[in-house]
Amino acid sequence: DAGVIQSPRHEVTEMGQEVTLRCKPISGHDYLFWYRQTMMRGLELLIYFNNNVPIDDSGMPEDRFSAKMPNASFSTLKIQPSEPRDSAVYFCASSSTQGTDTQYFGPGTRLTVL
Amino acid sequence: AQSVTQLGSHVSVSEGALVLLRCNYSSSVPPYLFWYVQYPNQGLQLLLKYTSAATLVKGINGFEAEFKKSETSFHLTKPSAHMSDAAEYFCAVSVNTGFQKLVFGTGTRLLVSP
Repeated sequence: DAGVIQSPRHEVTEMGQEVTLRCKPISGHDYLFWYRQTMMRGLELLIYFNNNVPIDDSGMPEDRFSAKMPNASFSTLKIQPSEPRDSAVYFCASSSTQGTDTQYFGPGTRLTVL
Repeated sequence: AQSVTQLGSHVSVSEGALVLLRCNYSSSVPPYLFWYVQYPNQGLQLLLKYTSAATLVKGINGFEAEFKKSETSFHLTKPSAHMSDAAEYFCAVSVNTGFQKLVFGTGTRLLVSP
């Protein structure tokens, strides 16, 4: 199994630009999670999906952030417009209802907004 | 609401010494408990998990943790530290509700000196 795949691994952009982060979960997993990690705030859950449906988006910081899961094998996290304070590492994770809440993390996308 | 508290943002040990990373949880129902490890510039990797079976749980790389309900603790230990154990360690909790949502602690960075 290839594990959770995220792209790009690194993204540098300028303030005001749109940023799209991508995630491919482990095949057969029905939960998908987006996290943000910063030195100041640690690991924060932004949103999670079950069977492609958003279940809890209470962690999404503001309307500039949006996430979609058009099918079971793909999800995006979009920031528009981006701001310097969005600089962080964004992780995607997936898990299975058949498991015991074990989440498998991708390698992360390091976002730098100048 | 479920939560975990990790005591000590940094723990320093010498190579060969005992590793003890502390985690206390708060949960009104029987929890599932997890330890994840994050190596530099990588995603989180599951070390071990407690899911209401044996209270002493063995994980990868020689780590183990003991669930103590009376102390609401789930401390992570390793008898002899290795240089390669230097990483950040996260404790996490969930409840068996099927919602698959983990709540992570703030992390403990383990430093191993020669």
